[in-house]
Amino acid sequence: AQSVAQPEDQVNVAEGNPLTVKCTYSVSGNPYLFWYVQYPNRGLQFLLKYITGDNLVKGSYGFEAEFNKSQTSFHLKKPSALVSDSALYFCAVNSGYSTLTFGKGTMLLVSP
Amino acid sequence: DSGVTQTPKHLITATGQRVTLRCSPRSGDLSVYWYQQSLDQGLQFLIQYYNGEERAKGNILERFSAQQFPDLHSELNLSSLELGDSALYFCASSVGAATNEKLFFGSGTQLSVL
Repeated sequence: AQSVAQPEDQVNVAEGNPLTVKCTYSVSGNPYLFWYVQYPNRGLQFLLKYITGDNLVKGSYGFEAEFNKSQTSFHLKKPSALVSDSALYFCAVNSGYSTLTFGKGTMLLVSP
Repeated sequence: DSGVTQTPKHLITATGQRVTLRCSPRSGDLSVYWYQQSLDQGLQFLIQYYNGEERAKGNILERFSAQQFPDLHSELNLSSLELGDSALYFCASSVGAATNEKLFFGSGTQLSVL
């Protein structure tokens, strides 16, 4: 069975500082990895995905994520956080034969 | 705006009742997915349809059923409702059925069972 772990319920960072939201996964075979963001009273929005190739994936709004196969991780990063980045972030994984499994989500709070 | 439309936005009903949630996918998308989001369970995949046919099934209760119509809109039917069914129900769509495609989510239907 596939699974995703987001070890932090909440991440706090000051505006202008770098941010990292952690994600580890477990899946049989090669993983497809995704990050989605959910703003209040909205549906999830796609940020980025890793399918194959370069381990560093760049996505929307200046976010990027690094795939690390040996550590089975796919952490989301941004060099300089904005207050408007405050939202709920979901990591998700599947293989070529299964549907998407989401993590529990990490609330990112960026303070001015 | 994702292009995925869900109605109604809010639904309040009583235990034992039946409700229908509706979803219109993005223009051109053939796959529709239903998810349930609750505080204790997180985001749970319920079911996927592709071009009118059931494609994948997740943690969907027997009291719940869904279908995708020829115009590609989808409906999720929830019956014999229980308090624990209170949740936010999301519909998502994608162009095809491949598992590496990104999903476009609607804004959800907030179901409250009293």
